[in-house]
Amino acid sequence: SYELTQPPSVSVSPGQTVSITCSGDKLDYKYTSWYQQKPGQSPFLVIYQDKNRPSGIPERFSGSNSGNTATLTISGTQPLDEADYYCQAWDSGIGVFGGGTKLTVL
Amino acid sequence: QVQLQESGPGLVKPSQTLSLSCNVSGGSISSGAYYWTWIRQPAGKGLEWIGRIYTNGNTDYNPSLNSRVSISVATSKNQFSLKLRSVTAADSAVYYCARENQRWLGFDYWGQGTLVTVSS
Repeated sequence: SYELTQPPSVSVSPGQTVSITCSGDKLDYKYTSWYQQKPGQSPFLVIYQDKNRPSGIPERFSGSNSGNTATLTISGTQPLDEADYYCQAWDSGIGVFGGGTKLTVL
Repeated sequence: QVQLQESGPGLVKPSQTLSLSCNVSGGSISSGAYYWTWIRQPAGKGLEWIGRIYTNGNTDYNPSLNSRVSISVATSKNQFSLKLRSVTAADSAVYYCARENQRWLGFDYWGQGTLVTVSS
């Protein structure tokens, strides 16, 4: 079965830029979405089709996908961006999530 | 504004069937632009895609659950449902229903989630 691998945790200082990676075999052949989840809340779509932001998502969130790695980048990170982030892709019509990355803003 | 709301028992006994429904409001479940999806999250763990249904009844399931899961849709009620048979403690999780946007290939609306515990 297809697998997506994320680092368990990443930390960043407020105002700095942070990148969260998601690795999978030939991942650039697939579209990747990214979800933000804060404690006690449902996940929330922040990036779709590798690099597109839904309406209302701040421009500081951006995405890319090349080779075996998709990347979510947050520029000018704010304390309210502290959350778990999950990547997601499709493999032959089956949804696959990465294990999630806990972003700490300190 | 589309809203999804899960409902169903919060406690299920081992070996029994977990049954949940998702009520969709603010939009028609019969719209051809979306798949209707179930996703779960065990306490303290990551997200797991369970499966999805299209309005014509076509389904896709996670191979790891395929033999135990079924998803159905009731367009007249604007609802879709999940059944997971022969549950064990490993099936305890928060269960989310979500809408998959076919153009975006992402889940653009989520329910608030419902906690299901499998215990005798």
